[in-house]
Amino acid sequence: EVQLVESGGGLVQPGGSLRLSCAASGFTFSDHYMDWVRQAPGKGLEWVGRTRNKVNFYTTDYAASVKGRFIISRDDSKNSLYLQMNSLKTEDTAFYYCARAHCSGGSCSLDCWGQGTLVTVSS
Amino acid sequence: SYELTQPPSVSVSPGQTASITCSGDKLGNKYASWYQQKPGQSPVLVTYQDNKRPSGIPERFSGSNSGNTATLTISGTQAMDEADYYCQAWDSSTGYVFGTGTKVTVL
Repeated sequence: EVQLVESGGGLVQPGGSLRLSCAASGFTFSDHYMDWVRQAPGKGLEWVGRTRNKVNFYTTDYAASVKGRFIISRDDSKNSLYLQMNSLKTEDTAFYYCARAHCSGGSCSLDCWGQGTLVTVSS
Repeated sequence: SYELTQPPSVSVSPGQTASITCSGDKLGNKYASWYQQKPGQSPVLVTYQDNKRPSGIPERFSGSNSGNTATLTISGTQAMDEADYYCQAWDSSTGYVFGTGTKVTVL
C-alpha cells in the first residue's frame, strides 16, 4: 500500500524555524518527484515546492511566497522527504501535505497525498 | 503570476450532471488535473492530463480542456460526490497553480 506520513508540525513563534518530515512506503521513492502543498484552515490549496529525482539532479522549485525561506530536501536511502521552514510568518500557518508526483507525457499530477501536519505560527 | 479561477459553488440534484469550470489564460495549452477533497480529508486526484482517470476513480468523473477553460464533469452525481474540487496546472514561471476551489453540493 502506498503511504505518506508527515510529522514535525506544531506551534512556532514568528521568525522561528521548523522542519517537517514525510516518510514514504509502498513504492519506489527514489523514482518520483515529490511535492509539498499547504492549506490554511478553511482555505484552498497552495503549492509550496517540489524536489525532482536523482535522474533530474534533485533540482527544486518553490512558490514565490516561500522562496528563500523554505528548503526541500530528500534522503532516498531513508525514503524520506523534508521541508525546512525558516523565518516563519503568521501567514505560513497551515496544514502541510507531502504528495507524490506522477509524471507522464510531459506533465505531472499529485497522485498520492499524506494526511497532513499542522503548523501554527503564532506568538 | 498565473491564476486559475473557479466558481465558489455548484449545486446539483442526485443523478444529474455537475460541471465545474476552471479558467486561466491559454489553459488549453497546459495539462489540467482535478482533485477532490472531502471535509477533514486529504485531496484525491480524480483526473489528470486533461481527461485521464487514475485507477479506482469512477467513470462518472471526466475532464476536458480547451481554450481558456478546463471542465470537470460528474455524470450521475451521487451524494458521496459532495466535496470541494480544485483544478491544477503547471506554469513554467509560477510552478504548480491550484484553482480557487469549488464546493459541490448535492441537494
